[in-house]
Amino acid sequence: DAKTTQPPSMDCAEGRAANLPCNHSTISGNEYVYWYRQIHSQGPQYIIHGLKNNETNEMASLIITEDRKSSTLILPHATLRDTAVYYCIVRAGGTSYGKLTFGQGTILTVHP
Amino acid sequence: EPEVTQTPSHQVTQMGQEVILRCVPISNHLYFYWYRQILGQKVEFLVSFYNNEISEKSEIFDDQFSVERPDGSNFTLKIRSTKLEDSAMYFCASWGQKSGNTIYFGEGSWLTVV
Repeated sequence: DAKTTQPPSMDCAEGRAANLPCNHSTISGNEYVYWYRQIHSQGPQYIIHGLKNNETNEMASLIITEDRKSSTLILPHATLRDTAVYYCIVRAGGTSYGKLTFGQGTILTVHP
Repeated sequence: EPEVTQTPSHQVTQMGQEVILRCVPISNHLYFYWYRQILGQKVEFLVSFYNNEISEKSEIFDDQFSVERPDGSNFTLKIRSTKLEDSAMYFCASWGQKSGNTIYFGEGSWLTVV
């Protein structure tokens, strides 16, 4: 699976949009971009995933660049409960379903 | 939302003892996994299980570890002879065709080896 690079930490004011970047310059054509988060050592929570089109769900939006070498997770109106470690993970859509390779992630701190 | 449930939430055991961590994956899911996270470190893949056999395992998953699906609902991780370095949070996860590409994780079992 391709390696990802994320900033170690970011801050965001409550109510503002949080934009979390991720670089995955070695991504290959069949690899998806996934975002998970982990709140205080709880189990990782799925947020969103995409292949090449931008995606939106009730939690967030995912913007993937045209060359697919980077992406941005957008939390449109961050709340204090969004403070967590956010992981960008690239995974092939093949037989290794569920084998996720976690990096260090981005620690997002949402402040009042 | 469907849930993966894990028991116990926390277990303290003496070095050398056997430990069994239990998981109830989401109903109708067919792929099951164990991950672990040592305090302050990354979440690490241990093993994946499908069709009653291990489909993939990491270097961490040595002979001290085993997995089993003893009945139609439970999925277990056994550590035969625990070491201090096995102290970690252990997460179970599951995936199924109907969940698309979404892998669901449980809340974890915190194992402390003393």
